[in-house]
Amino acid sequence: DAKTTQPNSMESNEEEPVHLPCNHSTISGTDYIHWYRQLPSQGPEYVIHGLTSNVNNRMASLAIAEDRKSSTLILHRATLRDAAVYYCILGSSYKLIFGSGTRLLVRP
Amino acid sequence: DTEVTQTPKHLVMGMTNKKSLKCEQHMGHRAMYWYKQKAKKPPELMFVYSYEKLSINESVPSRFSPECPNSSLLNLHLHALQPEDSALYLCASSQVGQEKLFFGSGTQLSVL
Repeated sequence: DAKTTQPNSMESNEEEPVHLPCNHSTISGTDYIHWYRQLPSQGPEYVIHGLTSNVNNRMASLAIAEDRKSSTLILHRATLRDAAVYYCILGSSYKLIFGSGTRLLVRP
Repeated sequence: DTEVTQTPKHLVMGMTNKKSLKCEQHMGHRAMYWYKQKAKKPPELMFVYSYEKLSINESVPSRFSPECPNSSLLNLHLHALQPEDSALYLCASSQVGQEKLFFGSGTQLSVL
């Protein structure tokens, strides 16, 4: 199973953009890049996913490098409710293997 | 209704007990999953059901026995567990072939 590498933690100020990086140098051609987040005492929540092209939705944007060996999750304006562990995951929907994740702290 | 409901929320059991965890969804999803999450660790995939048939077993010990009696329900039967099995057990569901999983809030299991 392909692995992802993420920083253990990041900090941001409220209402500023946040860029969460992820390295996945062993990604295969069929692996999707997924992002989920987990708030305290909750199950993981889907954020966004993509294959090759950059993707946008109401929660975030996903920027994928041209060689697909890295990607960045972009939260355009962080709020206190965005404080969570963010997981970058490779695979298909049947087999999402979570990496260690990045704990995002948002300062008011 | 975009909820995955897990019961009970908390469970304490002895090593000789038999218990079951329950997961229910009414989104019409035909893929359902069990994950295990130890404290401060990422979730680990245990089982995947597709169209009520077991399609993935990630080499889980036989003391964990999954069951999918219908398209809305997923059970995890527990027997002769060890203290190291104490964890948060998460259920998820999705449309078959879709990339978006919906997770429940989990059952926090303590094995004494």
